[in-house]
Amino acid sequence: DIQMTQSPSSLSASVGDRVTITCRASQHISTFLNWYQHKPGRAPKLLIYTATTLQSGVPSRFSGSGSGTDFTLSINILQPEDFATYYCQQSYNTPYTFGQGTNLEIK
Amino acid sequence: QVHLVESGGGLVKPGGSLRLSCAASGFPFSDYYMTWIRQAPGKGLEWLSYISNSGRYTNYADSLKGRFTISRDNAKNSLFLQVNSLRAEDTAVYYCARGGVPTSINWFDSWGQGTLVTVSS
Repeated sequence: DIQMTQSPSSLSASVGDRVTITCRASQHISTFLNWYQHKPGRAPKLLIYTATTLQSGVPSRFSGSGSGTDFTLSINILQPEDFATYYCQQSYNTPYTFGQGTNLEIK
Repeated sequence: QVHLVESGGGLVKPGGSLRLSCAASGFPFSDYYMTWIRQAPGKGLEWLSYISNSGRYTNYADSLKGRFTISRDNAKNSLFLQVNSLRAEDTAVYYCARGGVPTSINWFDSWGQGTLVTVSS
């Protein structure tokens, strides 16, 4: 199975900050990498697919980069509604696997 | 718009079974691959299974060891997950989700709110 490792596991930031979350795959996955946002009690939300493509309706302050094994999710000018847990997920091979999550908290 | 509603969760004893359902609306259900994902308390997301748009092809996480079966009824716009021989570690919120584009499952673009399964004696 492909292991996905996110860092950091938790992150404190303020409204208006720029933050970056990294995701590393245990083997090459090309650009088969997706990012999701999850808030407690809510349905997870797709943010970015195929590493860099912004899902329709997602604000442009979210962006993704990377290929191969190393990927990043960046959020420019944090808004109050962005505080949540973020997951990367590979779709290169089954079983599809997620990172352990990054909990973005308000400082 | 796309709407997915899971149901069928509840409290079940170890060794018991449940059939989870996902009612879909707002899109041509028979065109899309569908998937099940779960989140155990305090844990991250775990992919479980997907099924092709026709229902012909399925795929499962190895960890399920044949205890779970995914199916669909395109005439009723419904997705199912039969879960058998339940264990305490199966306690989780179970989500259904849609593949991002017709006839593919490379990302999950719409999710339901989830249904809670609690396995306890």
